[in-house]
Amino acid sequence: GAVVSQHPSRVICKSGTSVKIECRSLDFQATTMFWYRQFPKKSLMLMATSNEGSKATYEQGVEKDKFLINHASLTLSTLTVTSAHPEDSSFYICSARSTVQKWEQFFGPGTRLTVL
Amino acid sequence: GQNIDQPTEMTATEGAIVQINCTYQTSGFNGLFWYQQHAGEAPTFLSYNVLDGLEEKGRFSSFLSRSKGYSYLLLKELQMKDSASYLCAVRDTNAGKSTFGDGTTLTVKP
Repeated sequence: GAVVSQHPSRVICKSGTSVKIECRSLDFQATTMFWYRQFPKKSLMLMATSNEGSKATYEQGVEKDKFLINHASLTLSTLTVTSAHPEDSSFYICSARSTVQKWEQFFGPGTRLTVL
Repeated sequence: GQNIDQPTEMTATEGAIVQINCTYQTSGFNGLFWYQQHAGEAPTFLSYNVLDGLEEKGRFSSFLSRSKGYSYLLLKELQMKDSASYLCAVRDTNAGKSTFGDGTTLTVKP
């Protein structure tokens, strides 16, 4: 089956630093990847849609300059949380949509970010 | 936009059947998904409905009525490991992005 990896799985950083999270589709090509944020006991909130070779489309209320998304290849998208603050602490999950099975999203295992 | 409603919590007994409902109001519709999510883990795909009717896959079945904006996930022969959050998600017709409901936390008791 299709596998999506995320790295790192957990990260703890100091306030004001930047953190980069990688999302990779391991055995398929993904023209579209999605970045979600999830708060405890809440559902996934879509942050942005990342399309290979073009700018990401951000959802209303998500700061583009704070959450930088790059989708440089068909198997890799990165989310960089810039100048992180404690309120950015959350579970970040990416998903990838196959170029072939376009109806299905495959989720990564998530990254737990804690900002001190 | 999308508005998705599902019950917050449900409890059922091991071996029983449980139905989790999801209602939605959407400006566009291109399929409804059900996912299972255990605490601290990413969602895993359970089912996909784009046409009206029932889709059966083992112990899990999912039903869709587009005219009513309604879906349900049916879990049979409940097992303790089925205790998890179940997320209903609707894909719109434009960017293909999905909007998730807040999830239903199911607790299976012995």
